[in-house]
Amino acid sequence: KAGVTQTPRYLIKTRGQQVTLSCSPISGHRSVSWYQQTPGQGLQFLFEYFSETQRNKGNFPGRFSGRQFSNSRSEMNVSTLELGDSALYLCASSLGTQSDTQYFGPGTRLTVL
Amino acid sequence: AQSVSQHNHHVILSEAASLELGCNYSYGGTVNLFWYVQYPGQHLQLLLKYFSGDPLVKGIKGFEAEFIKSKFSFNLRKPSVQWSDTAEYFCAVYGGSQGNLIFGKGTKLSVKP
Repeated sequence: KAGVTQTPRYLIKTRGQQVTLSCSPISGHRSVSWYQQTPGQGLQFLFEYFSETQRNKGNFPGRFSGRQFSNSRSEMNVSTLELGDSALYLCASSLGTQSDTQYFGPGTRLTVL
Repeated sequence: AQSVSQHNHHVILSEAASLELGCNYSYGGTVNLFWYVQYPGQHLQLLLKYFSGDPLVKGIKGFEAEFIKSKFSFNLRKPSVQWSDTAEYFCAVYGGSQGNLIFGKGTKLSVKP
């Protein structure tokens, strides 16, 4: 079974731009969660999607948004990028909820200049 | 807000030494507890989890963790570490009003051969 894949793996953007990151979950998994990982803050929860509906959202500004498609693939979007958005963005999929085992992808490394 | 604390940022041990990594959480209700591990160059993966029952849980690669409800703790242990245990270890808690998985900031373990 293929693991969680994320594209692109690396991105360099400038302040003010927007970016879209993609995540393909493990086949059969309906829950997709997104996390931001930074050296100072660790892993911070962004949002969780289940069956195309946002089920939960972390404490991030509205510039961070996401969606999930009918095939469970998910995208997250960050608009009006700021230097502080530089981070590793991780996607994880699970069968049902975040209390199920989370299977993580390799992440997208975003650098904002 | 609920939080998860990992006491040590970086732990350095020699091979065959015993390991204990601390994890405390702030929520007093029913929780599901996890330890995830990130080996160098690899994805985050589940090490072990506790939902209910025996508070001593065993995971992969000889790791175990003990849930002590009265102390709100879920410490990770291994009697004898190996060089291959060099990794970053994350404690995570699911439960409570926030309804999402909350991670600690991680503990980096370096094992000297």
